Amino acid sequence: ETGVTQTPRHLVMGMTNKKSLKCEQHLGHNAMYWYKQSAKKPLELMFVYSLEERVENNSVPSRFSPECPNSSHLFLHLHTLQPEDSALYLCASSQDVQRYEQYFGPGTRLTVT
Amino acid sequence: DQQVKQNSPSLSVQEGRISILNCDYTNSMFDYFLWYKKYPAEGPTFLISISSIKDKNEDGRFTVFLNKSAKHLSLHIVPSQPGDSAVYFCAASVTGNQFYFGTGTSLTVIP
Repeated sequence: ETGVTQTPRHLVMGMTNKKSLKCEQHLGHNAMYWYKQSAKKPLELMFVYSLEERVENNSVPSRFSPECPNSSHLFLHLHTLQPEDSALYLCASSQDVQRYEQYFGPGTRLTVT
Repeated sequence: DQQVKQNSPSLSVQEGRISILNCDYTNSMFDYFLWYKKYPAEGPTFLISISSIKDKNEDGRFTVFLNKSAKHLSLHIVPSQPGDSAVYFCAASVTGNQFYFGTGTSLTVIP
């Protein structure tokens, strides 16, 4: 595997479910990101991790809980989501938070019913 | 309020002609700009960047122009090829801070 991978690619969950999104980067990068893309809206940065430490949290509701166990893996734990949370969730990585080129995964298309 | 805007949701261009994608921003402190390209079912891929100390950056068929006074940047693709058909996002940041993305322009290159 090369680049940034995300699983699952599609997820349908009820509002009372708990699920997790997984991201893995094979690029040796030190920074990882979660973005949300809703229909007809720009990409919104959710979380930034640098060397497994969270360095940014953009006022994201607590029903989204990130976890970065090491610099290659990033998770987004989801619980009691709302239908308006349905979106494409993209993971990205970069050499470090100061390096501007971010490499994106293919995204997880999440539908909350 | 959106800090980066791409006002054209779509653009169609004949193969071999020039494609011009536009992007406007509101924050005069932005000093680094990127363009990404996205195919369906794939994540965005980095295309080209420009810093505010330059007004032009070129990479093969792709050239980005920055007009700081107008707070405007554009991506020129010449000649356009069918494989260039994708959604193009511009993004801007103040050095070391988060990127703000536009909503994207869907480019179709007609063979």
